[in-house]
Amino acid sequence: DAGVIQSPRHEVTEMGQEVTLRCKPISGHDYLFWYRQTMMRGLELLIYFNNNVPIDDSGMPEDRFSAKMPNASFSTLKIQPSEPRDSAVYFCASSQGARSGGYTFGSGTRLTVV
Amino acid sequence: AQSVAQPEDQVNVAEGNPLTVKCTYSVSGNPYLFWYVQYPNRGLQFLLKYITGDNLVKGSYGFEAEFNKSQTSFHLKKPSALVSDSALYFCAVRDTTGGFKTIFGAGTRLFVKA
Repeated sequence: DAGVIQSPRHEVTEMGQEVTLRCKPISGHDYLFWYRQTMMRGLELLIYFNNNVPIDDSGMPEDRFSAKMPNASFSTLKIQPSEPRDSAVYFCASSQGARSGGYTFGSGTRLTVV
Repeated sequence: AQSVAQPEDQVNVAEGNPLTVKCTYSVSGNPYLFWYVQYPNRGLQFLLKYITGDNLVKGSYGFEAEFNKSQTSFHLKKPSALVSDSALYFCAVRDTTGGFKTIFGAGTRLFVKA
């Protein structure tokens, strides 16, 4: 298996622009998580899905952030409009079950908003 | 609410010496505990987990961790450090009483000197 695949690896955009981050989880994994990593706040859980359904989005910082999972093999995290404070590394992770397993993380998308 | 603390920002050890990376946690129910490692420009990699049973759990790359319920700790250990162990280590806790959100600590940077 190729693991969790995220694209793009790097994204530089101007303030106010829309940004879409993409994630392909491991086949057969029924949970998908979006995390954000910054020096100041560490790793923050933004949202997670079970069988393509959003379960908990309490970590989504503002209405500018939205996430979808139209099918078992694809998820997007969208920021519209983007702001400089959104600059971070965004990780997608998947797991089979949420109870006792570890997560498999993607390599992340480094977002810079200028 | 669940929380996890890694009291040391950085740990320095000499190659061949034993290493310990500390972690304490707080949950309302029984904890599921995890350790992950992150190398530069990579996603987190799962090392080991404690769910139940033996308080000493063994994981990847020779790492092990000791669960101590009375001290609410889950310290990561390795008998003999390698230079290649230098990385960022994250402790994580999952509260099983409601939902299965995993909360990560701030991370501890490990430097192993040759």
